[in-house]
Amino acid sequence: EADIYQTPRYLVIGTGKKITLECSQTMGHDKMYWYQQDPGMELHLIHYSYGVNSTEKGDLSSESTVSRIRTEHFPLTLESARPSHTSQYLCASSASGTANQPQHFGDGTRLSIL
Amino acid sequence: AQTVTQSQPEMSVQEAETVTLSCTYDTSENNYYLFWYKQPPSRQMILVIRQEAYKQQNATENRFSVNFQKAAKSFSLKISDSQLGDTAMYFCALRVARAAGNKLTFGGGTRVLVKP
Repeated sequence: EADIYQTPRYLVIGTGKKITLECSQTMGHDKMYWYQQDPGMELHLIHYSYGVNSTEKGDLSSESTVSRIRTEHFPLTLESARPSHTSQYLCASSASGTANQPQHFGDGTRLSIL
Repeated sequence: AQTVTQSQPEMSVQEAETVTLSCTYDTSENNYYLFWYKQPPSRQMILVIRQEAYKQQNATENRFSVNFQKAAKSFSLKISDSQLGDTAMYFCALRVARAAGNKLTFGGGTRVLVKP
C-alpha cells in the first residue's frame, strides 16, 4: 500500500467558499501531482511539482492553485468554489530517478459544489 | 504530444475466464514507458503492470500480462483467471522518458465487470 493520504474524502460545500484539499505522502517522493477526474472518465493533470518550492501547471487548465513548502505536503486550493469545480481530485507522487517509477495515488477527494 | 486510446468503454467477463483490454498510443519518442493502472470502485488507483519500450519481452505480473507491439503502438492487457476483485476501471498510461516531471498521459479507461 502506498503511503499517500488525501483529506477530506468527500466534501459538499456551497458556491463561493474557499476550499483546500490536503495531500500528504510519507515516502519522501520529490514529485507530486494533482489530477481531476470526472466519474468513470480519464484523469487530467492539473498541477505537478518537482520538489519543494516547485509548482507547474498541468495539461488541463484549472482555477485551482497549489503550493509545495514541504516535501511531504502538496495542498490544492480553490479560492472561490463554483459548481463547475465539482469533480474528483486525485493526488499522486513518484520517486525521482528513471521514468519507469510508478505514480502512487491517494484515495481521492470527491468534491461537490452546490 | 502523446495520446492514449482505449477503445472499449466496458467489458464483462465470467469469473475464471480471460479478458483482454486494448490500448493504443501515439508518440514520436523512442524512449518511453507504458503502464496499466486499476481503479476499483471508490478505492485507490494502483499500478497493475508496467513495460519499458526498449524491452521486447512482454511484462507479466501473476494473472496479468501484456502484449506489447511497439511497431503497432499497441499495449493490451490480459487478465487470466478473472476474479471478482478484478472488477474496476482500468487505465492505460504512457510516460515518455523526457516528459517534464515524469508526467503520465492516460487513456479514457475501460470498465471491467467480473460476473460470478
